Amino acid sequence: GAGVSQSPSNKVTEKGKDVELRCDPISGHTALYWYRQSLGQGLEFLIYFQGNSAPDKSGLPSDRFSAERTGGSVSTLTIQRTQQEDSAVYLCASSLALIGTGSTYEQYFGPGTRLTVT
Amino acid sequence: GQQVMQIPQYQHVQEGEDFTTYCNSSTTLSNIQWYKQRPGGHPVFLIQLVKSGEVKKQKRLTFQFGEAKKNSSLHITATQTTDVGTYFCAGRNGGYQKVTFGTGTKLQVIP
Repeated sequence: GAGVSQSPSNKVTEKGKDVELRCDPISGHTALYWYRQSLGQGLEFLIYFQGNSAPDKSGLPSDRFSAERTGGSVSTLTIQRTQQEDSAVYLCASSLALIGTGSTYEQYFGPGTRLTVT
Repeated sequence: GQQVMQIPQYQHVQEGEDFTTYCNSSTTLSNIQWYKQRPGGHPVFLIQLVKSGEVKKQKRLTFQFGEAKKNSSLHITATQTTDVGTYFCAGRNGGYQKVTFGTGTKLQVIP
């Protein structure tokens, strides 16, 4: 596609339910990132994928959060037993990543999924 | 872990005034990127600086990377209402693609 897409755009769920957020990166982008942004706040790093592997999961706030990426493309972020403090916009970004070049590439962000836990 | 702080957190300026945001890292960076997030939107890449002391310009925007590669600044000359948004720096310090985003500076331009 032309850009990074995320679905759903909005999700309202009850406390305690599980949710799954989806990210479709730009074709050919091997690096994929998940961030969380609370209202008026900065970007909180969650997890980074290089291909299907996740060399950095350090930002996942608790074991209720997990993410996977299959086929080097689509990624899903799953939040189990949602809590009210999970309410935020979840942003996905993708970039090129040529290993070994030392180059850093710009991240292209999706429109985000606004999660509201009631 | 690496921390990237930005000051100020908020800035209100009259249209036509200049604006500067500063980005400071706790560790030496291999490069730094700047992003702009419009209200209700998602971050959009503006520029990347790689070399020590590098200065780049985009129309009214001037970006600098410090000599020690631990700080950076974004200066906007003669702000316009279209400059409204939050400006984030993002620094890389590591062997892979992850960058650490700064805390952001929210700019409001008063017409």
